[in-house]
Amino acid sequence: AQKVTQAQTEISVVEKEDVTLDCVYETRDTTYYLFWYKQPPSGELVFLIRRNSFDEQNEISGRYSWNFQKSTSSFNFTITASQVVDSAVYFCALYSGTYKYIFGTGTRLKVLA
Amino acid sequence: SQTIHQWPATLVQPVGSPLSLECTVEGTSNPNLYWYRQAAGRGLQLLFYSVGIGQISSEVPQNLSASRPQDRQFILSSKKLLLSDSGFYLCAWRSWRTEYNEQFFGPGTRLTVL
Repeated sequence: AQKVTQAQTEISVVEKEDVTLDCVYETRDTTYYLFWYKQPPSGELVFLIRRNSFDEQNEISGRYSWNFQKSTSSFNFTITASQVVDSAVYFCALYSGTYKYIFGTGTRLKVLA
Repeated sequence: SQTIHQWPATLVQPVGSPLSLECTVEGTSNPNLYWYRQAAGRGLQLLFYSVGIGQISSEVPQNLSASRPQDRQFILSSKKLLLSDSGFYLCAWRSWRTEYNEQFFGPGTRLTVL
């Protein structure tokens, strides 16, 4: 069975702190894709990044970075020098070609000024 | 560029009334289309998906139905709403091309059933 676990329900940090959001996935497929989405208070899910199972390179985009490790089935997301605008719910998702996406339950990040 | 529209943005309906939510995608052809529901403070629940005109796969056997009358139009319906149908409804699309698997979401419809 496929599963995505985001064990952190809610995280609070003070502005400028670094924060890491954890994502652990389960799948028996050898080809799969992992995603991170941001859901700000307005509600729309915003696509942040896609990673396929054959590319374990970490990625950095501005203050955002992602660490993909197949050995631990994890795809963690780090925000460096967090800002109030980063406050949102963040979802990790898994796709392996069956048209269906498996979403985690989300992590609510609160960045306090 | 591609855009996805949903309407209405908010809706308050009495129990037992019908429902019709519409989603349209622009700037792409033959998209895969999805309806999700998100209860307050919860994760995403897949309701329906469609890989082509007239083709609907249902994940939730409840009082909801979906239709895809045109390539880029996806409609979510109900004949009689229940209190439990309240939630945030999100439409999403993804490209039919297998190298692009990310979904893109619409702005959502917030439904309150009273």
